[in-house]
Amino acid sequence: QKEVEQNSGPLSVPEGAIASLNCTYSDRGSQSFFWYRQYSGKSPELIMSIYSNGDKEDGRFTAQLNKASQYVSLLIRDSQPSDSATYLCAVENYTGRRALTFGSGTRLQVQP
Amino acid sequence: SQTIHQWPATLVQPVGSPLSLECTVEGTSNPNLYWYRQAAGRGLQLLFYSIGIGQISSEVPQNLSASRPQDRQFILSSKKLLLSDSGFYLCAWSVRGGQTQYFGPGTRLLVL
Repeated sequence: QKEVEQNSGPLSVPEGAIASLNCTYSDRGSQSFFWYRQYSGKSPELIMSIYSNGDKEDGRFTAQLNKASQYVSLLIRDSQPSDSATYLCAVENYTGRRALTFGSGTRLQVQP
Repeated sequence: SQTIHQWPATLVQPVGSPLSLECTVEGTSNPNLYWYRQAAGRGLQLLFYSIGIGQISSEVPQNLSASRPQDRQFILSSKKLLLSDSGFYLCAWSVRGGQTQYFGPGTRLLVL
């Protein structure tokens, strides 16, 4: 079983729609969760982090965390073609080291 | 503000040749440093992480090694490259004790 799972996509949404990206994780003790965006050929850039159950909003982005269900999601409102990228979910595993485990990413395509 | 540099940006090397990739961080002290590899269309695989000078932890046994000769310098090396070493190599940093990681621009390595 993969530690962090994401649907590889592509997830295609029309411009202006809400894009919903999902991630599940296996380590019930995980405390820190991150979303990164990676454009083709570029390195990942941090979008936002979330540590507590519930929603966290930052501009057009909302992260949602449900630790009981071991589920974290990212909503992108008013999707723009410039949002087309691969979105990586990352989870900190407390296995004696401070490092992140990444999902393989979901490719998002926003159609103009 | 903090900046992370990686070089070279791209590299084409023959099988069996040595490798040295360098990563430096500016604007912070005592960072945690990380090396990841991303194969084409795949997620990020943690290779090494370091919490201080000379302190390196290896995550995946392979023909790569890492060194941290200075506080803000992290080097990835190999004595003999394999075809399977091709990929996108990413260096990342976080504050000491922190979870959020920030990535450098990456080095794209092609082994022929």
